[in-house]
Amino acid sequence: DSGVTQTPKHLITATGQRVTLRCSPRSGDLSVYWYQQSLDQGLQFLIQYYNGEERAKGNILERFSAQQFPDLHSELNLSSLELGDSALYFCASTRGDRAPDGYTFGSGTRLTVV
Amino acid sequence: TQLLEQSPQFLSIQEGENLTVYCNSSSVFSSLQWYRQEPGEGPVLLVTVVTGGEVKKLKRLTFQFGDARKDSSLHITAAQPGDTGLYLCAGMAGANNLFFGTGTRLTVIP
Repeated sequence: DSGVTQTPKHLITATGQRVTLRCSPRSGDLSVYWYQQSLDQGLQFLIQYYNGEERAKGNILERFSAQQFPDLHSELNLSSLELGDSALYFCASTRGDRAPDGYTFGSGTRLTVV
Repeated sequence: TQLLEQSPQFLSIQEGENLTVYCNSSSVFSSLQWYRQEPGEGPVLLVTVVTGGEVKKLKRLTFQFGDARKDSSLHITAAQPGDTGLYLCAGMAGANNLFFGTGTRLTVIP
């Protein structure tokens, strides 16, 4: 157990729908990072939050949004889902807003869009 | 976008053999990390290398950071079935931008 908790583990939904993925960081960590992993794209950075504020943005679509709440858990919202959004979504956390010593990842949410 | 290419993409070897996985880029990184990912799990950090030319050992795994900090290698001695997994290198560019490589899927056959 890495200490980073992601729910749900699996999610199956239809095209056009909206889903919310949840992440609780490791105790004491203030930063949360969201990554998307697909077979053809590998691990792609989506967005980072640090202590409730957006800190960095990667290849995140406009249909996707995220936030970090006062208790430091984070949610990734995916809307108007398309078949191509099917992927593994990982959350990672670090103590500070920088990660020179690496990330701690959760077990991921497998999203299937049908 | 910094591109990190790993080779080989797939590797299947017998238990006891040695292997080397490569991670190459045209970009310079302030540090480079190696992760291993098993099916159904997130990547787990193995090591971070920071200095050009640095070599780190983790039991049977040896990691090296290139002198110019653009490439890295992972050497496994006497591979075991427990080494099976997806190996990912990740380069840190800037304050907090971690770019992941394309991955090497290793299978060690008993």
